[in-house]
Amino acid sequence: EPEVTQTPSHQVTQMGQEVILRCVPISNHLYFYWYRQILGQKVEFLVSFYNNEISEKSEIFDDQFSVERPDGSNFTLKIRSTKLEDSAMYFCASSRPSGATMDTQYFGPGTRLTVL
Amino acid sequence: DAKTTQPTSMDCAEGRAANLPCNHSTISGNEYVYWYRQIHSQGPQYIIHGLKNNETNEMASLIITEDRKSSTLILPHATLRDTAVYYCIVRVLDSGGYQKVTFGTGTKLQVIP
Repeated sequence: EPEVTQTPSHQVTQMGQEVILRCVPISNHLYFYWYRQILGQKVEFLVSFYNNEISEKSEIFDDQFSVERPDGSNFTLKIRSTKLEDSAMYFCASSRPSGATMDTQYFGPGTRLTVL
Repeated sequence: DAKTTQPTSMDCAEGRAANLPCNHSTISGNEYVYWYRQIHSQGPQYIIHGLKNNETNEMASLIITEDRKSSTLILPHATLRDTAVYYCIVRVLDSGGYQKVTFGTGTKLQVIP
């Protein structure tokens, strides 16, 4: 069964450094998302991406964050200058094969980001 | 999205059916009921969704009341691997685009040996 994959599984970085989290969505999906979950808290929406542009972003997704689909398979989340409070699990999701009527989102296993 | 109410936690004996309730009394006619689960810091896993008819797949059954104000997710034979947080989410019927998933705090299901 197709699944969303994410790399790395765990990323440790120093405060102020840039990180790029990578995702490979399900191959025939058209919509892509990033969510995050701070330890012990709810899963929170960050951003959605369709047709090579951001469809919606939350207030968390400030100028420090950017997303990109650099090729036909990868979807990346970049944090330019990490802060301690960026430490969290980051989940990628994808949805909607072409022609699908339902937006059922499938999530990847996550990347644990630790900012020191 | 309509607000949902779920118990904070539940226990279930291994091998027995786990029945997880969800109240969504303000649900609109164009909103689906979705269930996801999250096993200890893994990515949320889609389980099932429905509009008004009962639904069944290889993972679970979803029973929606006739007035659609509540639903129950049934795991017919719970195993230890079903220990997870279960999220009941109400989402607008697809309108041709997408919609972010808004997670609440869910029900923490503990399956007991």
